[in-house]
Amino acid sequence: GAGVSQSPRYKVAKRGQDVALRCDPISGHVSLFWYQQALGQGPEFLTYFQNEAQLDKSGLPSDRFFAERPEGSVSTLKIQRTQQEDSAVYLCARNDPNTGELFFGEGSRLTVL
Amino acid sequence: RKEVEQDPGPFNVPEGATVAFNCTYSNSASQSFFWYRQDCRKEPKLLMSVYSSGNEDGRFTAQLNRASQYISLLIRDSKLSDSATYLCVVNRDDKIIFGKGTRLHILP
Repeated sequence: GAGVSQSPRYKVAKRGQDVALRCDPISGHVSLFWYQQALGQGPEFLTYFQNEAQLDKSGLPSDRFFAERPEGSVSTLKIQRTQQEDSAVYLCARNDPNTGELFFGEGSRLTVL
Repeated sequence: RKEVEQDPGPFNVPEGATVAFNCTYSNSASQSFFWYRQDCRKEPKLLMSVYSSGNEDGRFTAQLNRASQYISLLIRDSKLSDSATYLCVVNRDDKIIFGKGTRLHILP
C-alpha cells in the first residue's frame, strides 16, 4: 500500500467533543503532511512535519487544531471542541524526497453532529 | 483568490474522446507540479509529474507554462475508467498545495 496507516477510519463526534486522529507512516519517513478534505473540495494543507519538527502549521484553521509528532514517527491531529464545520476527511501523507510524490493514507472521516 | 485554481466541472465526455483540463497557479515561486487522480471516497494518487518540457505517459500528456503560470492535462482516447476527479498540485517550499479538482465523467 501507500505505507501510511490512519485510524480511526470513521469517527462520529458530538459538537463540543475532542477528537484525536492518528497517522502511522512506515518507519524512516522524514516528512509527514496533514490535509483536510471537505466534501466536493480538494485537500487543504493543514500542517507539515520533518521528523519531530513541525515546520509549517499555517493551514491549521483555528487554535482548536493541534498536531504533534513527538518521536518523529507516529503523528496525532487533535481537534478540540469540535464544530460541525470540522466534518471532513483528514488525510495524512508521506513524501518521497526524490520524486516529490505524496503517498496518502486512506483518511479518517470525521462527522460532527 | 486560491493559490491553485481549476474548473470544477463536471466534464461529461463520450468514451473515446479527447479531453483537456487546465489549472493556474498564483505564486511564481512554485517549484514543481503534479496531476493527481482521486476516485470517489478514495485517497488521491499521483497520476503524473509535470515538467517544463512537457511529458507524456501513454494517453496522458501534461504541459507546464511557467510564464503564464498554467498547467494542463490532456487525455486522449478516454476510457470509462478515466472517470474520476483530477487534482492539480503545486509544490512551493515543500508546502504541497492542491486545487479543488476537476470532475470527469466518461459516458459510454
